[in-house]
Amino acid sequence: SYELTQPPSVSVSPGQTASITCSGDKLGDKYACWYQQKPGQSPVLVIYQDTKRPSGIPERFSGSNSGNTATLTISGTQAMDEADYYCQAWDSSTGGAFGTGTKVTVL
Amino acid sequence: QLQLQESGPGLVKPSETLSLTCTVSGGSISSSSYYWGWIRQPPGKGLEWIGSIYYSGSTYYNPSLKSRVTISVDTSKNQFSLKLSSVTAADTAVYYCARDLGTFGHPIDYWGQGTLVTVSS
Repeated sequence: SYELTQPPSVSVSPGQTASITCSGDKLGDKYACWYQQKPGQSPVLVIYQDTKRPSGIPERFSGSNSGNTATLTISGTQAMDEADYYCQAWDSSTGGAFGTGTKVTVL
Repeated sequence: QLQLQESGPGLVKPSETLSLTCTVSGGSISSSSYYWGWIRQPPGKGLEWIGSIYYSGSTYYNPSLKSRVTISVDTSKNQFSLKLSSVTAADTAVYYCARDLGTFGHPIDYWGQGTLVTVSS
């Protein structure tokens, strides 16, 4: 199956920028999306089609995807953004795949 | 507002078959372009994609689970189902049903609340 790798953890100070990477073979040739999951809750889509935000997602969430790496950026990070984040992509041969997940801590 | 609700046994014995159903309300499972899928999350671990189905019955399965997984759809009941055979303790997880957009990378825009399934004798 298609493998996506993320850093286990990212720490950020309130108001600063957090960047979370997602690496996969030729990931830039596919569409990447990102989910936020808080403890005890179902994941929530925060970025899809590499750069688009669903309705209701704050503008401080943005995404990019090129080469082998997709990146989720949280600008002006707030305490409420502390959560686990997962990237996801679709491979035409093997279907869906999630990244390994990144825990974002707002210090 | 679309809602998805998982149902099924919370405890399954090793070597038996895990069976879950997802009931969709607030929308039709026969809507074109959407896929309906299952994702699981072992306690304290990450998300794992299990598979997806289109209302016509077309399916995609995770290659690592393909030999044990069957996903089916019942459009008359607006439901889709998961069967996972020969389960072991490693299949203990929260199982989510979900809707994916069926295009542009299949992002998942609606999730069920999840149901914990424990494999134990």
